[in-house]
Amino acid sequence: DIQMTQSPSTLSASVGDRVTITCRASETVNTWVAWYQQKPGKAPKLLIYQASSLESGVPSRFSGSGSGTEFTLTINSLQPDDLATYYCQQYTTWRCTFGQGTKVELK
Amino acid sequence: EVQLVESGGGLVQPGRSLRLSCTTSGFAFGDYALSWFRQAPGKGLEWVSFMTTKTYGGVTGYAASVQGRFTISRDDSRNIAYLQMNSLKTEDTAIYYCSRLYCGGASCYSPNWGQGTLVTVSS
Repeated sequence: DIQMTQSPSTLSASVGDRVTITCRASETVNTWVAWYQQKPGKAPKLLIYQASSLESGVPSRFSGSGSGTEFTLTINSLQPDDLATYYCQQYTTWRCTFGQGTKVELK
Repeated sequence: EVQLVESGGGLVQPGRSLRLSCTTSGFAFGDYALSWFRQAPGKGLEWVSFMTTKTYGGVTGYAASVQGRFTISRDDSRNIAYLQMNSLKTEDTAIYYCSRLYCGGASCYSPNWGQGTLVTVSS
């Protein structure tokens, strides 16, 4: 299976900060990468698909980039509602895999 | 509005069975592939199983950790997906989510999720 390595595992930031989360694939996944946000006790919510496409209804402060093996999720101007855990996912085939998650906390 | 609602979770002893249901509404169920995912307490997300549409042969796939013990199925007439879980182990304890998939060929991501159902395997 393709391994997805996410960093950092925890991130402390202030409201208004620009936040960057990185995901590295163990082999090329082209642009078959999605990013999800999960709040405690809730199901994951899709933010980004195909590495850089913003899901409908997701605020434009969220953006994704990358291809091949290196991917980035950026949150421009962090808001209190953005405090959550974020997961990357590769979906080159239906046998998808997730990164271990990045918890975004307030500094 | 697209909705997926899981049910059937609960406390079960090791070695026993449980069947989860995913009742859906708001979309043409038969036109979409589906997956089950799970999340152990305090842990990350794990893909469990997948099923294509009947048009694509109803092909199924399973994570190695559940292969041979879990079976995914779908009833397109009732808009429900199922996950039959046999020979349950303590390590199967998790919240189980079903998801509608958007696919480009075999590459599928999850725009819609249910709220999850908790399965606890313990003696």
